Amino acid sequence: DQQVKQNSPSLSVQEGRISILNCDYTNSMFDYFLWYKKYPAEGPTFLISISSIKDKNEDGRFTVFLNKSAKHLSLHIVPSQPGDSAVYFCAASGLNAGNMLTFGGGTRLMVKP
Amino acid sequence: DAGVTQSPTHLIKTRGQQVTLRCSPKSGHDTVSWYQQALGQGPQFIFQYYEEEERQRGNFPDRFSGHQFPNYSSELNVNALLLGDSALYLCASSLGFGNPNEKLFFGSGTQLSVL
Repeated sequence: DQQVKQNSPSLSVQEGRISILNCDYTNSMFDYFLWYKKYPAEGPTFLISISSIKDKNEDGRFTVFLNKSAKHLSLHIVPSQPGDSAVYFCAASGLNAGNMLTFGGGTRLMVKP
Repeated sequence: DAGVTQSPTHLIKTRGQQVTLRCSPKSGHDTVSWYQQALGQGPQFIFQYYEEEERQRGNFPDRFSGHQFPNYSSELNVNALLLGDSALYLCASSLGFGNPNEKLFFGSGTQLSVL
C-alpha cells in the first residue's frame, strides 16, 4: 500500500505564477516531511522540510504547508521559474525511522516561459 | 567537496546473474542508504548502513544484500536478477544514524537493465 501519495503526475504553470504541488499520507506515525527535486540524470536534491509540530515552513520562494488532521501537505513555489521544471517528490519519515524515507510517486512540474 | 558518487552509471545484465553496485558517500558522512526507483515511481527504501552494519531494511527480499566498508563506502549486491529488478538504484549519504532532521544527499544513481 502506498503510504505517501502524489495524485497529480504532472503540473504545468506559467512563469511567474504560483505552483502548488500536493501530497497525501496515510501513516499517522509520520512526523517529518520533506520535498526533494529531481532533474533528469541527477539524484534527488533536498528542497525543504517540515516537522509535524509546525504547519508552515518557508524558504525563499518555497513554502510547505502541513495539515495534520487531513494528512495532507503542499509545496507552494512563488513565483515559478523555468528552472523549477523538474520532478518533485514528497517524502516522510516516522518517529523511530530516523531518516529512512517513504517517498511519493512524484509530480512532474513544467514551468512555461 | 565531492558529493555522493556511484558506479557504474549504467549496467546491463541478464536474468539470473548477480550485480554489485558501488557508492562513495559525501565527504564527512558515515551513513549510507540505498533506494530503488522503478520507472515512473518514487524511490523505495532498500536498507541503510551505519558503522558497517545494516541498521534498517525495507521490504526487499534477501536477494538484496549490502556491505559498508571502514571508509564508509558501500556496495549493494543483487543475486538471481529478475526482470523486475530493472530500475535506477540510488545511494544516499548522511551524517549519523537515526536523526530525521539529517538530510539525505543522493548520488546520480546506477541505471540497471535486466534482459
